[in-house]
Amino acid sequence: KAGVTQTPRYLIKTRGQQVTLSCSPISGHRSVSWYQQTPGQGLQFLFEYFSETQRNKGNFPGRFSGRQFSNSRSEMNVSTLELGDSALYLCASSLYGDTEAFFGQGTRLTVV
Amino acid sequence: AQKITQTQPGMFVQEKEAVTLDCTYDTSDPSYGLFWYKQPSSGEMIFLIYQGSYDQQNATEGRYSLNFQKARKSANLVISASQLGDSAMYFCAMREGLTNAGKSTFGDGTTLTVKP
Repeated sequence: KAGVTQTPRYLIKTRGQQVTLSCSPISGHRSVSWYQQTPGQGLQFLFEYFSETQRNKGNFPGRFSGRQFSNSRSEMNVSTLELGDSALYLCASSLYGDTEAFFGQGTRLTVV
Repeated sequence: AQKITQTQPGMFVQEKEAVTLDCTYDTSDPSYGLFWYKQPSSGEMIFLIYQGSYDQQNATEGRYSLNFQKARKSANLVISASQLGDSAMYFCAMREGLTNAGKSTFGDGTTLTVKP
């Protein structure tokens, strides 16, 4: 069974640009969550999608958005990139969001 | 107050010995789940073990066991027979309530180093 796949693995963007990250969950999993990991703030929850609906959202500005498609694949978008957005972005999938979640390898975003 | 506290920034253990990684949590919700993840230097978060708040028995998964003490609000991870490959960052996480599906709060992590 394939695991969670995140693409791309690495990204370098310039301040002010926008970026889209992709996450393909484990087959059959309907919940996809996104997290930002930085050395200073640790792991912080961004948002969670279930059946194409955002169910939960963390405390991030509106520049951070996401969506989920009918096949449960999810995308995350960050607009008007800032230097502080440099981080490892992790996606996690679970069946319904209520038990264990399985993470992808992450996308390492560097904003210069 | 921090919801998940991991008081050990770094731990060392000799290969083949057991090690306990501490985790305390804070919640007023009677329904919650506790998780442990391992993050090697490659960055991927690897799920290790899960304990639900209503589970009567401590969770075990191979060499991993969770010492769940509900009254003390602690969920320590015990790794038996440590291996060199166990060297990594370990995170304790909690999901609270039925409305926080998919949303987990993570501790700051403990870096475990296994010595040969």
